[in-house]
Amino acid sequence: SQELEQSPQSLIVQEGKNLTINCTSSKTLYGLYWYKQKYGEGLIFLMMLQKGGEEKSHEKITAKLDEKKQQSSLHITASQPSHAGIYLCGPRSEKLVFGKGTKLTVNP
Amino acid sequence: GAVVSQHPSWVICKSGTSVKIECRSLDFQATTMFWYRQFPKQSLMLMATSNEGSKATYEQGVEKDKFLINHASLTLSTLTVTSAHPEDSSFYICSARGKSRGQPQHFGDGTRLSIL
Repeated sequence: SQELEQSPQSLIVQEGKNLTINCTSSKTLYGLYWYKQKYGEGLIFLMMLQKGGEEKSHEKITAKLDEKKQQSSLHITASQPSHAGIYLCGPRSEKLVFGKGTKLTVNP
Repeated sequence: GAVVSQHPSWVICKSGTSVKIECRSLDFQATTMFWYRQFPKQSLMLMATSNEGSKATYEQGVEKDKFLINHASLTLSTLTVTSAHPEDSSFYICSARGKSRGQPQHFGDGTRLSIL
C-alpha cells in the first residue's frame, strides 16, 4: 500500500517568515493533492499536482511535484496567522488516505 | 463551486441511540462519497467508500452493522451510527467526488458526535 510521510510534523513560525512542508511517497504517485484543515473543521482543497516537475501557486502558497513523482513540497511565502492549520497531502487515487499531516502555527 | 454540506455539525445524545449524519453535494453530482473519522490530534481515518446506488465498501476494522452507509442519490449520502456508545464519540467528516476518479474530493465541515 502507498504511504505518505510528511515533515516536519509540527512547525511554529513567526508571521512574515517563509516555510516549506514536505511530502514523501513510498511509491510513484499518479498525482497528489494538498489540503488544509483547521482543527475541528473540514478540509479545504488547495491544489492538485499531476505531472512530474509540475508547480502550482495560489496566493502565497506554491506546491511542487518532483520529476520522479515521489516527493512534493508546499511553500508558503510571508506567512500569516490565517495560514495556521494542519496541512495534509494525499495521493491522487481511488481512495484518499492521508498521512499524519503537518501542524502549522504562525505567531503574530 | 464544489460545495459539500454536512449536517448536523454537532450532536449530543444518550448511549444506545442511533444517530444519522447527512452529507450533501450542493452543486455537483457526487458519484462517490467517502466517510472519515478523526480522533483528537490525529489524522483522518477512512471508514468507507460509497458509490451511488451500490453498497458501501468498508475499510478493515470498521463494523458494517455499526456504521450504516446509504448513498441513494447523486447528491446525498448518510452515515448512521447505530446503538451509539461513548467510544463512538468522534469527529466524522464526509467528502464527495464527481464522476472522474482523478478529480479531487471536496469535504464537508464535519460532525462532532458526543455520546453520553
